[in-house]
Amino acid sequence: QLQLQESGPGLVKPSETLSLTCTVSGGSISSSIHYWAWIRQPPGKGLEWIGSIYNSGSTYYNPSLESRVTISVDTSKNQFSLKLSSVTAADTAVYYCARHGYTSATSYFGFWGQGTLVTVSS
Amino acid sequence: DIQLTQSPSTLSASVGDRVTITCRASQSVTSWLAWYQQKPGKAPNVLISKASSLESGVPSRFSGSGSGTEFTLTISSLQPDDFATYYCQQYRTYPCTFGQGTKLEIK
Repeated sequence: QLQLQESGPGLVKPSETLSLTCTVSGGSISSSIHYWAWIRQPPGKGLEWIGSIYNSGSTYYNPSLESRVTISVDTSKNQFSLKLSSVTAADTAVYYCARHGYTSATSYFGFWGQGTLVTVSS
Repeated sequence: DIQLTQSPSTLSASVGDRVTITCRASQSVTSWLAWYQQKPGKAPNVLISKASSLESGVPSRFSGSGSGTEFTLTISSLQPDDFATYYCQQYRTYPCTFGQGTKLEIK
């Protein structure tokens, strides 16, 4: 059974870089038919896609965050990671990692991690 | 970006009711639309993909319809487990986007 687990600091200071890792178990991040994504949800608000990565390292980012986001993959550890720079209080959110399909027909989020709350505060 | 607008934002209903949630897109997403259910403190769970395809394990009381810019999620007979927040999501173009959510409450 596929499982995704987010990990990383729960508190980040303003202007610093938020770093999270998603560990994939029960499946391979090297899958040829899946992308791996980060999505966030501010407390009490809706969902925002941050970006996606393929096992080759090819990435797609939300233009609203692209200047501050880096997503990377480590196939040897079956993990992918998120870095978000110059954070402010507006970046406080539950961060989810998720999987979606490679094709247009399957690009919805079929599997999600449980999410991790990251608070930006001094 | 394609904007998705859900209505209503909040819906009060009773067990056994038939309810419908609407999702309108700012431009056509053809049929590339998914519906998710989210319970407090949990990750969203996909119910329907490609506008009307029920995901494996999802009860048949859930159904989706629509194409282009207007879509609906219908729950034919509400069960206690269905009170949650529902989101639509388009995956026609990057960036994929979500509706603002519809909270389904017990009347």
